[in-house]
Amino acid sequence: DTAVSQTPKYLVTQMGNDKSIKCEQNLGHDTMYWYKQDSKKFLKIMFSYNNKELIINETVPNRFSPKSPDKAHLNLHINSLELGDSAVYFCASSQATQGPYEQYFGPGTRLTVT
Amino acid sequence: GNSVTQMEGPVTLSEEAFLTINCTYTATGYPSLFWYVQYPGEGLQLLLKATKADDKGSNKGFEATYRKETTSFHLEKGSVQVSDSAVYFCALKDNYGQNFVFGPGTRLSVLP
Repeated sequence: DTAVSQTPKYLVTQMGNDKSIKCEQNLGHDTMYWYKQDSKKFLKIMFSYNNKELIINETVPNRFSPKSPDKAHLNLHINSLELGDSAVYFCASSQATQGPYEQYFGPGTRLTVT
Repeated sequence: GNSVTQMEGPVTLSEEAFLTINCTYTATGYPSLFWYVQYPGEGLQLLLKATKADDKGSNKGFEATYRKETTSFHLEKGSVQVSDSAVYFCALKDNYGQNFVFGPGTRLSVLP
């Protein structure tokens, strides 16, 4: 039973298209995150939601828009895709925002923009 | 602000060699510290953690001790296996805030 799941696992699309990545966690956690991992494996936090409320919004182009319909789901919509958006995107969740809680990661979505 | 520094990789070892991956941090207050492992094509998995000074986290033969005096959390394993080949991330969590900071990752390759 997968704790944090993401769909799709692979996404290949052309520049200028709009795409979405979905994330769901069945751990009952309050907090969810989106990360971008570049080709050198560097992880960059993009967004964080706590109980459907946006709490971290790093310097990310406004073409990226997260949406949290409920605390178990956090989706990422990307408009007007660019070549530089190619990366692996990870969703993660943690029990709460404050406290010594680890994050649980999904398997990642590899986005390739051509 | 909070930050994590890891030794640069890649690290290449022979099977059964001793492993150390250095991690030092800068933080206000007393953060929790973590090591994550990422196997090829997968997401990050928690390897071990320590929540206060002098705590030792351990899992699958890996160990790390939270050293407040040297602000370090070095990862060690006595005898690595080929299956340990992965990228290892040191991370810290500000317990009273929302910041979760990852290091840049260290790639480990273990040769048979």
